[in-house]
Amino acid sequence: AQKITQTQPGMFVQEKEAVTLDCTYDTSDPSYGLFWYKQPSSGEMIFLIYQGSYDQQNATEGRYSLNFQKARKSANLVISASQLGDSAMYFCAMREGAGNQFYFGTGTSLTVIP
Amino acid sequence: DTGVSQDPRHKITKRGQNVTFRCDPISEHNRLYWYRQTLGQGPEFLTYFQNEAQLEKSRLLSDRFSAERPKGSFSTLEIQRTEQGDSAMYLCASSLQPGLAFYNEQFFGPGTRLTVL
Repeated sequence: AQKITQTQPGMFVQEKEAVTLDCTYDTSDPSYGLFWYKQPSSGEMIFLIYQGSYDQQNATEGRYSLNFQKARKSANLVISASQLGDSAMYFCAMREGAGNQFYFGTGTSLTVIP
Repeated sequence: DTGVSQDPRHKITKRGQNVTFRCDPISEHNRLYWYRQTLGQGPEFLTYFQNEAQLEKSRLLSDRFSAERPKGSFSTLEIQRTEQGDSAMYLCASSLQPGLAFYNEQFFGPGTRLTVL
């Protein structure tokens, strides 16, 4: 089974609107961390936001927030007030327990329309 | 601190040749990771080092691949007898060892894009 599933290959959003990028995960370990990264066309992976499995509050970082629904095993990224510079690939990733691997999803390509 | 750097950024080689990539992590980071990313996919873990010790290797890392981190600073990834299927982006990341907070953000380099003809 896939550790991380991103079901939206591509998404479009109007500038200044909010958009939600979906991510579901699969683990039996009670301790895990969930990460979102942005990858512009330049190729570099840019860390956006982190959510720990024991965190009670949803993580927020500026215009980014993570909608963490533990029972559903989902960790959706919400980008508010989209900007043209948000156009990029977005990857959800998970680190399980004491493991050292990051498991990445296949990514969602976001295009912000002026 | 200039972040994680990788060299070269692009490499074109003929099938059967050997190639070597270099990664310079953020200076205070003791963990270093190598990933491979093919078109339309997320990064796939290859291996990781804690200081100079290679502690984990993916089964994706065939015997043609070898990675080193001799002094616990920079790392090299060598691919021997390259095949067309090795064409991919090779990403390096570094991090601090996670503490009790379990949080260890990985900082990625710009990657080396390998094309095997």
